[in-house]
Amino acid sequence: GIQVEQSPPDLILQEGANSTLRCNFSDSVNNLQWFHQNPWGQLINLFYIPSGTKQNGRLSATTVATERYSLLYISSSQTTDSGVYFCAGKETSGSRLTFGEGTQLTVNP
Amino acid sequence: DSGVTQTPKHLITATGQRVTLRCSPRSGDLSVYWYQQSLDQGLQFLIQYYNGEERAKGNILERFSAQQFPDLHSELNLSSLELGDSALYFCASSPSGGFNTGELFFGEGSRLTVL
Repeated sequence: GIQVEQSPPDLILQEGANSTLRCNFSDSVNNLQWFHQNPWGQLINLFYIPSGTKQNGRLSATTVATERYSLLYISSSQTTDSGVYFCAGKETSGSRLTFGEGTQLTVNP
Repeated sequence: DSGVTQTPKHLITATGQRVTLRCSPRSGDLSVYWYQQSLDQGLQFLIQYYNGEERAKGNILERFSAQQFPDLHSELNLSSLELGDSALYFCASSPSGGFNTGELFFGEGSRLTVL
């Protein structure tokens, strides 16, 4: 199966700062998703983005499928953005979604 | 609300016992996936069902089993429980189960504590 590598593993920000999270894949994927796991453990869908760029409020994501990576941008961060951000990809020949280890984001007031 | 319903939300039991976790997928979704998230760990894929048939198997222990019923809800059975089985168990669903699964949506999880 594919390997999913996320960076950085931990990130501490002051409220209002911007950040970029990265996800690298060992092989081609045809399904790529970003999730936010809040402190209560819920997995919230952020983006379904096999390729291209999408924006949703202060968050945006870009996937460059040919180079096997995806980026999640968080602008003007808020304390409620704290939690773990996961990216997950599905290899083209399979049906399972493989998760990275996550980026633990802490936004301080 | 993702539309995926999991019960129970919390479960505390003893070693050696057996539990059943239940998942109802989003309306219209045919595929159900089970994932395990142990403390401070990532999400590990356990098993996938599509329209009642097993489609893919991951790192699922022999003590664990799952099935998907004709109404498309799924159950994950965990038996001979050990302390290490304590984890958050997620169910997800997607419209299809083939190479183009579509977007997966996750339930809120069932938090299992084995004492």
